[in-house]
Amino acid sequence: DVKVTQSSRYLVKRTGEKVFLECVQDMDHENMFWYRQDPGLGLRLIYFSYDVKMKEKGDIPEGYSVSREKKERFSLILESASTNQTSMYLCASSAGTIQETQYFGPGTRLLVL
Amino acid sequence: GESVGLHLPTLSVQEGDNSIINCAYSNSASDYFIWYKQESGKGPQFIIDIRSNMDKRQGQRVTVLLNKTVKHLSLQIAATQPGDSAVYFCAENFQGAQKLVFGQGTRLTINP
Repeated sequence: DVKVTQSSRYLVKRTGEKVFLECVQDMDHENMFWYRQDPGLGLRLIYFSYDVKMKEKGDIPEGYSVSREKKERFSLILESASTNQTSMYLCASSAGTIQETQYFGPGTRLLVL
Repeated sequence: GESVGLHLPTLSVQEGDNSIINCAYSNSASDYFIWYKQESGKGPQFIIDIRSNMDKRQGQRVTVLLNKTVKHLSLQIAATQPGDSAVYFCAENFQGAQKLVFGQGTRLTINP
């Protein structure tokens, strides 16, 4: 079974803090993704990566950056957290081409005060 | 828990009945489709996928139907159980695209 893990289930941070969300997958997948999920807005893609040290902007990259130093790990960074970044953050991975199923982690619910 | 203002289509079915969840997609060039199940507080879980060269695919208690003519996808769940309560959403992709496009989802509730 594919396993995607995220470092935290719940996080509470203060405005202006730098926040790191970590994601690890154990299936040697090439592609990794970060989404945020908000009521009424569905899943929105923040960034994705199709190889080590490669990254591509998704639909809503503003206020976020990512890092992929190793194939199995994809980090999402909030340089200066803001209250509008309070959300559920989901990491996913997929093998090979984009036309492969994306497998999701359990999510991190982030609250920015 | 639920969030105020979350307006998802809702389907309520009796336990043991069959459920049919529908999804309309917009891109006629889409050729790969996935159904996900998301339980409260959890990440989306893969259920079943289908490629555009097929119009039906069956899994365990689930069937996905694809009608390319009207750009419609459906998920059928046989003998619905309490554990099927969740939000179900479809995703589409077309060849060459770098990302999946996700639908908003349908909330399935099971009546005992």
